[in-house]
Amino acid sequence: SQKIEQNSEALNIQEGKTATLTCNYTNYSPAYLQWYRQDPGRGPVFLLLIRENEKEKRKERLKVTFDTTLKQSLFHITASQPADSATYLCALGVSGGGADGLTFGKGTHLIIQP
Amino acid sequence: KAGVTQTPRYLIKTRGQQVTLSCSPISGHRSVSWYQQTPGQGLQFLFEYFSETQRNKGNFPGRFSGRQFSNSRSEMNVSTLELGDSALYLCASSLAGGLGGYTFGSGTRLTVV
Repeated sequence: SQKIEQNSEALNIQEGKTATLTCNYTNYSPAYLQWYRQDPGRGPVFLLLIRENEKEKRKERLKVTFDTTLKQSLFHITASQPADSATYLCALGVSGGGADGLTFGKGTHLIIQP
Repeated sequence: KAGVTQTPRYLIKTRGQQVTLSCSPISGHRSVSWYQQTPGQGLQFLFEYFSETQRNKGNFPGRFSGRQFSNSRSEMNVSTLELGDSALYLCASSLAGGLGGYTFGSGTRLTVV
């Protein structure tokens, strides 16, 4: 069956270090993958999109990699800050034209400790 | 610019009743999607509308329905509410689907008692 897995336990990182979050999937052939941030009581906020033919994307302190052979995406936050504490969700899209609903992982709760 | 607006923010309904939730997308966005979020299942896709047409549908029973108006505003309806329908219902809009990322509203928290 199709499955998207993210670290179910909270990830505690010391301020200033790099936080690395993992998104693994099985029985999908995604055309693209997105990462979102969600704070309590709020809707998810879009961060980055990476397509199946791209290996890496960067945006400021954020970096995403996408390995379709390993069926895995890694999400990195460098020079992490307490304000980066949130739940991070990965989401897969299977249509190359973007005309499909996203399938979300359950998210990883990231805690950046001062 | 204004974000995605969902109303109401909170709702309490009784089993068996029906409910209508509203979503106003970002101006110019023609795609509106709906998701259900629960602690156990996470975010699950309900349906997507584009230019008043349902373009995609998730794996939910027929009690869940939606529509989109000519101004891109969307509503979703849940009939014959069950306790398990208690969830955060999120609406997301985009220019033309997922490739540019979705902008989510803050959601409607539905509690069925």
